[in-house]
Amino acid sequence: DAKTTQPPSMDCAEGRAANLPCNHSTISGNEYVYWYRQIHSQGPQYIIHGLKNNETNEMASLIITEDRKSSTLILPHATLRDTAVYYCIVARPDQTGANNLFFGTGTRLTVIP
Amino acid sequence: DGGITQSPKYLFRKEGQNVTLSCEQNLNHDAMYWYRQDPGQGLRLIYYSQIVNDFQKGDIAEGYSVSREKKESFPLTVTSAQKNPTAFYLCASSEGPYNEQFFGPGTRLTVL
Repeated sequence: DAKTTQPPSMDCAEGRAANLPCNHSTISGNEYVYWYRQIHSQGPQYIIHGLKNNETNEMASLIITEDRKSSTLILPHATLRDTAVYYCIVARPDQTGANNLFFGTGTRLTVIP
Repeated sequence: DGGITQSPKYLFRKEGQNVTLSCEQNLNHDAMYWYRQDPGQGLRLIYYSQIVNDFQKGDIAEGYSVSREKKESFPLTVTSAQKNPTAFYLCASSEGPYNEQFFGPGTRLTVL
């Protein structure tokens, strides 16, 4: 299974862009990159996902390098409500094709006023 | 409103008792999942189900059991065989493979 590596913690000033990196150097061709976040004691919230092209939605942008070995989640204007643990996950299809997400320890983002 | 519900939010049980955690979704999703989260840790997959009447073990299935008799329901039973049952349990569902998973609010189980 492809594993991901993320910094354990990051700080970002309120109103600035938060850039969260993720390394997934062993990702295989049919694996997607997903980002979730989890605010304390709540269920994870889906943010965005992609295969090889950059993606953007109302929450964030996802930049995937051309070799797909790393990606960056960008929150363009961080607010205090964006303080959470952010998980970078590589989707692994098993023999039946189920989408099993393997959550690591993530990056704890703290947005500072 | 569409979504995933888990009940109860907090659950206390005595050691040696089986306990069943509820998970219901009205999103018409085919796939459902159960995860466990321990303090400061990421999520680990317990069981998942791609379709009604079918389910598969995840990474840490020992001491747990599930059923999928209805599309909208995927209850998890924590049996007395589970050595460290105290944890935060999260249920999720997705439309199908490679679709994003939507999570419920979680159940915090404490075994005394």
